[in-house]
Amino acid sequence: DGGITQSPKYLFRKEGQNVTLSCEQNLNHDAMYWYRQDPGQGLRLIYYSQIVNDFQKGDIAEGYSVSREKKESFPLTVTSAQKNPTAFYLCASSIVVTSQETQYFGPGTRLLVL
Amino acid sequence: KQEVTQIPAALSVPEGENLVLNCSFTDSAIYNLQWFRQDPGKGLTSLLLIQSSQREQTSGRLNASLDKSSGRSTLYIAASQPGDSATYLCAVNRHAGKSTFGDGTTLTVKP
Repeated sequence: DGGITQSPKYLFRKEGQNVTLSCEQNLNHDAMYWYRQDPGQGLRLIYYSQIVNDFQKGDIAEGYSVSREKKESFPLTVTSAQKNPTAFYLCASSIVVTSQETQYFGPGTRLLVL
Repeated sequence: KQEVTQIPAALSVPEGENLVLNCSFTDSAIYNLQWFRQDPGKGLTSLLLIQSSQREQTSGRLNASLDKSSGRSTLYIAASQPGDSATYLCAVNRHAGKSTFGDGTTLTVKP
């Protein structure tokens, strides 16, 4: 069964804590993305990666970090520097970064602050 | 900086009605434009992708148009059904790997 999986579905963070959101894809896609969605709003790009061991900041990268050690995996760490982390986080992937690409999305992780 | 606006923010229609959702963008230098559907608490499902050189794309009851020069796209839904109730998002891909999303239109189709 091909697709993108995100875990956990819900995540709770304590003040000052770093937490990591998982994103895995078995679609053999080169590019992967992380977006943040706040209630009633569209998606904002946090980080993206076009190839293994390379990634670029998106529009709202401050307080977040990523790694891309494997093609299939693109974990996102929400650090203690992110002062307002409560949001819905969506991971996506696409075949190649060209005008033909269609992004495929995972089911999302909802992060809540205790 | 690319800005994407979707109007209206919410729309409620009776079943069977044809409807149009609007998306406008400020920078016409785009690769393509994509329409997505999002159900509550879920990820996004791609509906239609229009290349910058294309004028429209069709899939079943859905038709999306693109007028790059005026910075506008529309999503036309024919013969709406209660199962079409969701939030519809448009995304403008302005260069490699970077998409700008609108805030979405939440559609409710009443039986």
